[in-house]
Amino acid sequence: EVKLVESGGGLVKPGGSLRLSCAASGFTFNTYTMNWARQAPGKGLEWISLITSSSSYIYYADSVKGRFTIYRDNAKNSLYLQMNSLRVEDTAVYYCARDYFDPWGQGTLVTVSS
Amino acid sequence: QSVLTQPPSASGTPGQRVTISCSGGSSNIGSNTANWYQQFPGEAPKLLIYRNIQRPSEVPDRFSGSKSGTSASLAINGVQSEDEADYYCAAWDDRLNGWVFGGGTKLTVL
Repeated sequence: EVKLVESGGGLVKPGGSLRLSCAASGFTFNTYTMNWARQAPGKGLEWISLITSSSSYIYYADSVKGRFTIYRDNAKNSLYLQMNSLRVEDTAVYYCARDYFDPWGQGTLVTVSS
Repeated sequence: QSVLTQPPSASGTPGQRVTISCSGGSSNIGSNTANWYQQFPGEAPKLLIYRNIQRPSEVPDRFSGSKSGTSASLAINGVQSEDEADYYCAAWDDRLNGWVFGGGTKLTVL
């Protein structure tokens, strides 16, 4: 079974940092592009970052560029999102997703509040 | 403001055909394929349609997708109460170098 499990969410103060992890199983992780997306409470889906299978290409949404860093460890079948300089508006459920968003993980909630 | 435009809501009675539109531009739907996702409250989204018209094997065949120019559509033939959910379209955008999503459409089965 293809499975993605996010972890690392929590409550953080504005300006703080957090690292999210996504553990992948059930497929050959090192052959797939991976994404992070998020969903603010009561809002729609927003793509935030993509990394290709060998990390050759990385893209970010303008809303997180310069603050967030995506990376992966293919030996550990894991995807990561380092989030720095967090803002209140970064509060959301963060999802990792394979390729063209199939499947999605269950999500991890990040709350940025003082 | 989403790059892809969807109606915020749609509705139908059981058994009706319901369509949801997704309007984009030349840099996204116009030059790339569109995907559709279904999301129930409190759950993660699930892929419903990919590459405009392809349906994963586990998705009921009452769901279908189409694309014309810079727009895509999702159709549900014979909508059922269990189809009440939020639906999102998405496409890669060559100008933004990123995925773009529609704002989502909340489907109500009356």
